[in-house]
Amino acid sequence: DAKTTQPTSMDCAEGRAANLPCNHSTISGNEYVYWYRQIHSQGPQYIIHGLKNNETNEMASLIITEDRKSSTLILPHATLRDTAVYYCIASSNTGKLIFGQGTTLQVKP
Amino acid sequence: DTGVSQDPRHKITKRGQNVTFRCDPISEHNRLYWYRQTLGQGPEFLTYFQNEAQLEKSRLLSDRFSAERPKGSFSTLEIQRTEQGDSAMYLCASSSDGLEGYTFGSGTRLTVV
Repeated sequence: DAKTTQPTSMDCAEGRAANLPCNHSTISGNEYVYWYRQIHSQGPQYIIHGLKNNETNEMASLIITEDRKSSTLILPHATLRDTAVYYCIASSNTGKLIFGQGTTLQVKP
Repeated sequence: DTGVSQDPRHKITKRGQNVTFRCDPISEHNRLYWYRQTLGQGPEFLTYFQNEAQLEKSRLLSDRFSAERPKGSFSTLEIQRTEQGDSAMYLCASSSDGLEGYTFGSGTRLTVV
């Protein structure tokens, strides 16, 4: 699975959009980009995934660049409950996801 | 179905004792995964099952660790002769085909004293 690079930490003001970047420059054609988040003392929670096209669901939007070497997770109106560690993972459907250290997002009032 | 259940939530054991954790996945999910997470780190993959078959084991999984999923439903993870370095959160997840997202349980926090 391709390595991903994320900033260690980010801050966002409550009510504003949170844009979390991820680099995956060695991603291969059959690898999807997955995003999970983990709130303190809980198991990770699936947010969204995509291959080439931008994706949106009730939680977030995923923007993938045309060359697929990077992506951005967008939380359109961040709330205090969105404070968490966000993991970006590039993976094919081989049966496991490899987590890095993620980005700690702090949403501030 | 209320999601992935793990039992117990917390376990304190003395070094050298054996411990066993249980995971009940979402009933229609055929894939089941075990991860371990230490403080400040992301979850580390340990092993995964498709139905009752254990398809992959991480090199992190020493001979003291064994996992089973006897009927393709619930799974157990046993650690024999526990060491202080085994102290961690043990997470279980399940999925239907791996392409959609995993659903994780809340984990079992193991403390070896």
